[in-house]
Amino acid sequence: AQSVTQLGSHVSVSEGALVLLRCNYSSSVPPYLFWYVQYPNQGLQLLLKYTTGATLVKGINGFEAEFKKSETSFHLTKPSAHMSDAAEYFCAVNTGFQKLVFGTGTRLLVSP
Amino acid sequence: DAGVIQSPRHEVTEMGQEVTLRCKPISGHDYLFWYRQTMMRGLELLIYFNNNVPIDDSGMPEDRFSAKMPNASFSTLKIQPSEPRDSAVYFCASSFLGSNQPQHFGDGTRLSIL
Repeated sequence: AQSVTQLGSHVSVSEGALVLLRCNYSSSVPPYLFWYVQYPNQGLQLLLKYTTGATLVKGINGFEAEFKKSETSFHLTKPSAHMSDAAEYFCAVNTGFQKLVFGTGTRLLVSP
Repeated sequence: DAGVIQSPRHEVTEMGQEVTLRCKPISGHDYLFWYRQTMMRGLELLIYFNNNVPIDDSGMPEDRFSAKMPNASFSTLKIQPSEPRDSAVYFCASSFLGSNQPQHFGDGTRLSIL
């Protein structure tokens, strides 16, 4: 069965600092991995996805993630946090049946 | 391009009333998903459709919940009768066919049952 673990329900960084949000997955099928962001009172918005090919994936708003099969990880990073990055972030993995399994989310707090 | 459109954005109603949530998926998408989000349980998949046909409704909490997709551009999620524990944000999402295809979410309906 597929599952996603996001380490840390809350991550706090200062503006300008590195952002690192962790995601580990378990999958019995070739994994397709997704990161979504949710701003207050909005739906989930796709940040980036890994399907096949290059393992370093670039997304919107300066975020990127690296697929590491040996570590079953797909961590999300951004070199320099901005106040507008404060939101909740969800990692998801495909199930092979069109459904996604989502992690429990990580709330990113950015302080000035 | 228009995204997934949900209505209403907010709904407040009294326990026992019927509630109908509406969704218009992105044109051309093959799949439609209904989710519920709460603080306690996170994001839960309730049901999803392929080409207007329900594929998996195992996440529907009980018989009070029903969902329909009469055509490719419209779906409803109905709760009858509603209960306070149904209070949550309900999201609709749609996608193209393929496990590598992302789901596109609407902005949700915030439902409060008094």
